[in-house]
Amino acid sequence: DGGITQSPKYLFRKEGQNVTLSCEQNLNHDAMYWYRQDPGQGLRLIYYSQIVNDFQKGDIAEGYSVSREKKESFPLTVTSAQKNPTAFYLCASSMDRGPYNSPLHFGNGTRLTVT
Amino acid sequence: SQQGEEDPQALSIQEGENATMNCSYKTSINNLQWYRQNSGRGLVHLILIRSNEREKHSGRLRVTLDTSKKSSSLLITASRAADTASYFCATDASQAGTALIFGKGTTLSVSS
Repeated sequence: DGGITQSPKYLFRKEGQNVTLSCEQNLNHDAMYWYRQDPGQGLRLIYYSQIVNDFQKGDIAEGYSVSREKKESFPLTVTSAQKNPTAFYLCASSMDRGPYNSPLHFGNGTRLTVT
Repeated sequence: SQQGEEDPQALSIQEGENATMNCSYKTSINNLQWYRQNSGRGLVHLILIRSNEREKHSGRLRVTLDTSKKSSSLLITASRAADTASYFCATDASQAGTALIFGKGTTLSVSS
């Protein structure tokens, strides 16, 4: 089955530690995205990538970093500079290099708790 | 930047009733999409409507788009308990780039 795999499902870290969230897709999609969701809130865009070795900042990129070395992988690192990292993180992909006419496919998220 | 805003924030209905959710947005769009999210899960795409379309159907879902009012509605007919979820609209906000911008969602509860 094609899809997006996010791992782990739950992640716990101490304040001050960097942590990397994994996102892998086997849909052969060009574009990949990271969103953050806080309780009762919509999704806010962190970073997105339309092609390998290229990515753009979203609305809340501060304190996060990404890489896109392979088409199928788009890991997100939450650094110690991120003031409020505890949240639900969602990775998505789309067929086209922009979602003008293609839906996003989402993984099932990683819930990060930092204490 | 929040492009779409859903209304109401929460909706509770009985099985068999229809559920209507609304979405308003601020700037011109190329398309508007609706997604569903079950608790603790990722979002699932429901329907995409282009800016030159006025209405679209998919099973029990009906979406309308009024670009003059910058608004869209999602109607779920004959609701089931399994429709209980959060529903989000998303727009492409073409001026801001190529990533979708999501609203805060409507939480729908369908009781049997």
